[in-house]
Amino acid sequence: DTGVSQDPRHKITKRGQNVTFRCDPISEHNRLYWYRQTLGQGPEFLTYFQNEAQLEKSRLLSDRFSAERPKGSFSTLEIQRTEQGDSAMYLCASSFPGGQGLPSSYNEQFFGPGTRLTVL
Amino acid sequence: AQSVTQPDIHITVSEGASLELRCNYSYGATPYLFWYVQSPGQGLQLLLKYFSGDTLVQGIKGFEAEFKRSQSSFNLRKPSVHWSDAAEYFCAEPAGGTSYGKLTFGQGTILTVHP
Repeated sequence: DTGVSQDPRHKITKRGQNVTFRCDPISEHNRLYWYRQTLGQGPEFLTYFQNEAQLEKSRLLSDRFSAERPKGSFSTLEIQRTEQGDSAMYLCASSFPGGQGLPSSYNEQFFGPGTRLTVL
Repeated sequence: AQSVTQPDIHITVSEGASLELRCNYSYGATPYLFWYVQSPGQGLQLLLKYFSGDTLVQGIKGFEAEFKRSQSSFNLRKPSVHWSDAAEYFCAEPAGGTSYGKLTFGQGTILTVHP
């Protein structure tokens, strides 16, 4: 399977606990994105990596959130001291950089199945 | 602020009927626009994308979308819906001012298909 994978698929935790999610992008993709999707809403951008560099973080990403991509391959998203408002689906996506004379914005993002987090 | 609007939260059609899902965008002299589909428990899958050129874009699974600049719309259509099309559909465009393509999504339209 050469798609984007995420682990775990589901996570139930108690408020105040820390959780960590993993994303494995398509191997030749150097761009990796994290999004959060709450019930009844479209995904919202959280952060973006190009190779190992984290180039943008949304203001949605509070100080309790941290993301890494240490070797430019897989990425982790950690949430410390979880709150009930963190309950959501966390989606990872990857893409190629721009090519064929087209801007990067045009490139398809391939999404993983997501990690559903429930904070009790 | 840039936004993508999907006016219909939930649409119900009968199998075999035609379908049109609405999307309005607010940004871009030359917008890039996408339609994604999300089945329950699955990630998002790209149906089609528009960059420039022909305003009628063909996608996978028999879907098409028409870009209308005068109406700031990029509506998704299918002439005959199958039960397997039941899912949630998202319109999206890259957030303005970025070169790396982070996406802004509409709130989604849930499609229910009756037999």
